[in-house]
Amino acid sequence: EDKVVQSPLSLVVHEGDTVTLNCSYEVTNFRSLLWYKQEKKAPTFLFMLTSSGIEKKSGRLSSILDKKELSSILNITATQTGDSAIYLCAGAQVDQFYFGTGTSLTVIP
Amino acid sequence: KAGVTQTPRYLIKTRGQQVTLSCSPISGHRSVSWYQQTPGQGLQFLFEYFSETQRNKGNFPGRFSGRQFSNSRSEMNVSTLELGDSALYLCASSLNTGGPETGELFFGEGSRLTVL
Repeated sequence: EDKVVQSPLSLVVHEGDTVTLNCSYEVTNFRSLLWYKQEKKAPTFLFMLTSSGIEKKSGRLSSILDKKELSSILNITATQTGDSAIYLCAGAQVDQFYFGTGTSLTVIP
Repeated sequence: KAGVTQTPRYLIKTRGQQVTLSCSPISGHRSVSWYQQTPGQGLQFLFEYFSETQRNKGNFPGRFSGRQFSNSRSEMNVSTLELGDSALYLCASSLNTGGPETGELFFGEGSRLTVL
């Protein structure tokens, strides 16, 4: 059965902290892993990872894929209250995406 | 470039009724997929359409159905509504021509369904 598991389920940190969110996947015919941020409404795209070991960065966010371990991490440094959201990861086949249940991040001022 | 548009944004129905939700994808996107999101369950895949054909279906009962039109717009229908169908229904579109670089999903803001 194809599945994606995220941990932790929820996380509360203080502004300025660094957080690491985990995603493990078991997806047949795996093509890519995607990270999304969901605040009150539509999930917005963060990263798509297809190659193992190559870090992708966007500002304070970075992510890396480990195909040997079937996992990915999302790092957020110097967290801000605006980072509070649910972070979703998805394992993609050609025509289907398997989402985890998400990690709910709360950043306290 | 207009994003993915879903209508209606909010709706309230009673048990036993049916509902139709609409999704207009980003221009040029031929793949439209639907997800149900509930607290604790995350996004659960309903079905995916590409060029008017359903390519994949998730593990939902037959009360959930969908279709895609020639202009790539898609509708999903839920018949005989149950209380457990209350959820945020998200539509996503993508180019999905087969290459990994086209795999990104673009989501609409969702239709929030409440069943009383």
